[in-house]
Amino acid sequence: AQTVTQSQPEMSVQEAETVTLSCTYDTSESDYYLFWYKQPPSRQMILVIRQEAYKQQNATENRFSVNFQKAAKSFSLKISDSQLGDAAMYFCAYRGTTSGTYKYIFGTGTRLKVLA
Amino acid sequence: NAGVTQTPKFQVLKTGQSMTLQCAQDMNHNSMYWYRQDPGMGLRLIYYSASEGTTDKGEVPNGYNVSRLNKREFSLRLESAAPSQTSVYFCASMRLAGGFISTDTQYFGPGTRLTVL
Repeated sequence: AQTVTQSQPEMSVQEAETVTLSCTYDTSESDYYLFWYKQPPSRQMILVIRQEAYKQQNATENRFSVNFQKAAKSFSLKISDSQLGDAAMYFCAYRGTTSGTYKYIFGTGTRLKVLA
Repeated sequence: NAGVTQTPKFQVLKTGQSMTLQCAQDMNHNSMYWYRQDPGMGLRLIYYSASEGTTDKGEVPNGYNVSRLNKREFSLRLESAAPSQTSVYFCASMRLAGGFISTDTQYFGPGTRLTVL
C-alpha cells in the first residue's frame, strides 16, 4: 500500500524568505501523480502544484516549485519570497494510475507560519 | 459555476442521532469522494464513487453510508452518530477523463464541521 509522510508538523519562515516543506512517499507503481494542497484557516483545500512522475522536470507555479526525486521517493515544496498569505496547512498527496485507482493518499500536513 | 458545494457548514448532533451530509458539483465530474479530517491525521478517505452508479469503501468506511444520487450529487449518511465521528468532512470531485493516465485533479468543497456530543 502507498504511504505519504510529512515529517515536519510545523515550520516557520520570515516574510520574503524561502522555505522548503518535505514529503516522502512509498509506492511500487512507476507512474503516479504528486500534489501539494494548501489549507488556509478558511479550511478550503487549494491545489498549489502538481507533478507527474513520468516528467523529469520539476513543476513550478510562480513562487512555488518542487524538488522531485523519484529514486529517493521525495517530493519537497519550495516557497520563495514568502508572504503572510502563505500561512496555512500544507498537505502532500499521492495518486496512483493503476486501472481503477482513483484515490488520493494524503500526508498528515505541515503547518507553515510566516513571520512579519 | 459554484464548483463543489456542501451542506450544512456546521452541525451538532447527539450520540445516536442520524444525519446526511450533502455534496453537489456542477463541473460535470465523473468521480466524487468523501473525506474526514482529524487533527494530526490529514485527510482520510471514507467512501468514493468512481462514476455514477458505483460506490466503494475507502480507508475508514465504518459507521457511514453513501449514495450517488446522480452525476452531480453524492451524499454521506451517519446512521447512528458517535463521538468518534466528530470531525471536519470534505467532499471532492474529479473529472477522470478516462484512460489509465489522467492529469485530472480533485477539487474540494468548503467542508462541514460536525460535532457529536
